[in-house]
Amino acid sequence: AQKVTQAQTEISVVEKEDVTLDCVYETRDTTYYLFWYKQPPSGELVFLIRRNSFDEQNEISGRYSWNFQKSTSSFNFTITASQVVDSAVYFCALSTTDKLIFGTGTRLQVFP
Amino acid sequence: DSGVTQTPKHLITATGQRVTLRCSPRSGDLSVYWYQQSLDQGLQFLIQYYNGEERAKGNILERFSAQQFPDLHSELNLSSLELGDSALYFCASSVVGLAGYTGELFFGEGSRLTVL
Repeated sequence: AQKVTQAQTEISVVEKEDVTLDCVYETRDTTYYLFWYKQPPSGELVFLIRRNSFDEQNEISGRYSWNFQKSTSSFNFTITASQVVDSAVYFCALSTTDKLIFGTGTRLQVFP
Repeated sequence: DSGVTQTPKHLITATGQRVTLRCSPRSGDLSVYWYQQSLDQGLQFLIQYYNGEERAKGNILERFSAQQFPDLHSELNLSSLELGDSALYFCASSVVGLAGYTGELFFGEGSRLTVL
């Protein structure tokens, strides 16, 4: 069975702090995809990144970076120099076939 | 703007009633997915259609049904509504379907259903 665990329910930081959101996944498949989505207070789900199971290269996009480690089944997300606009719920997700399974989300609050 | 359109945005109804949520996928996307987001259950996959045919099923109740029409829009029908059905219902679309999932899902803004 596939499972995604986001153990951090809520994180609060002050602006400009770095913050890491943890994601641990379970799957027996060798081919799979991992995702991060952002859900701001307005409610829509915004795609942030996709990684496939064969590509463990870390990725950086501006203030966002992702650390994929197959050895620990983790796909962590770091926001550097957080901003108030980063306040949202962040979901990690796993896909092995045609459905995307989400973690329970981490609510990030960035205070000025 | 993801390109996925959902209507209505908000819906308030009473227990026992039936409602239909509509979704228009992004142009060119053949797959439509429905998800339910409630406070205590998180984001739950309900069902997926690919080019008009049911492709995958998740935690969808028997009181719920869906279909995808020839023009690729999809409808989610919720009947005999209960208080616990109050949730945000998301539709998403993607390019890939039958051959295996490789692309990201693009989500609509959701339809918020309140059952009183």
